[in-house]
Amino acid sequence: EADIYQTPRYLVIGTGKKITLECSQTMGHDKMYWYQQDPGMELHLIHYSYGVNSTEKGDLSSESTVSRIRTEHFPLTLESARPSHTSQYLCASSEGGVNNSPLHFGNGTRLTVT
Amino acid sequence: GQNIDQPTEMTATEGAIVQINCTYQTSGFNGLFWYQQHAGEAPTFLSYNVLDGLEEKGRFSSFLSRSKGYSYLLLKELQMKDSASYLCAGRGADGLTFGKGTHLIIQP
Repeated sequence: EADIYQTPRYLVIGTGKKITLECSQTMGHDKMYWYQQDPGMELHLIHYSYGVNSTEKGDLSSESTVSRIRTEHFPLTLESARPSHTSQYLCASSEGGVNNSPLHFGNGTRLTVT
Repeated sequence: GQNIDQPTEMTATEGAIVQINCTYQTSGFNGLFWYQQHAGEAPTFLSYNVLDGLEEKGRFSSFLSRSKGYSYLLLKELQMKDSASYLCAGRGADGLTFGKGTHLIIQP
């Protein structure tokens, strides 16, 4: 049973549209992350948060933004989608203050921008 | 910065043993994770090593040598459902860095 949920699972959208990818977790984890993964490639961190009202950019430059108003919710927004944004987006969470705490991943959103 | 290297693809036979290697270069090394990812699904946690030595969990074991910047994942009694990508991830001063994953193909 998943404790971290992402919606939608699949999304096809036209260039220039604004979209928000939803991510929620019920484990009370302080840390949450957004990764981008292209087929056969490594996960790249695009945003992370260590708690409410805390957000940071990751390694990979991204035109997306995130917010963390509630512990359980970490949505990612693209103001103007482009074909280069086509990818899989994975949300993850982990316990705060514990170095060996593994990441728990959602099932991902596969985004296609036409 | 961090650098993680692992083979792109490996093939093994059902019932056999396979070892997937991972080398890393990480500043401020603070642990190494292995994840399993089936096609089209999210990664799931397999193991964590921060001290040298072998950690065993059922059919899966993971080894770490910090002096050599080296880890391996050992899978025993391979089953068809073990066909997946195996991701090595190092935690360092810059956070968690993932390798590209090793695509493991199990043949009957």
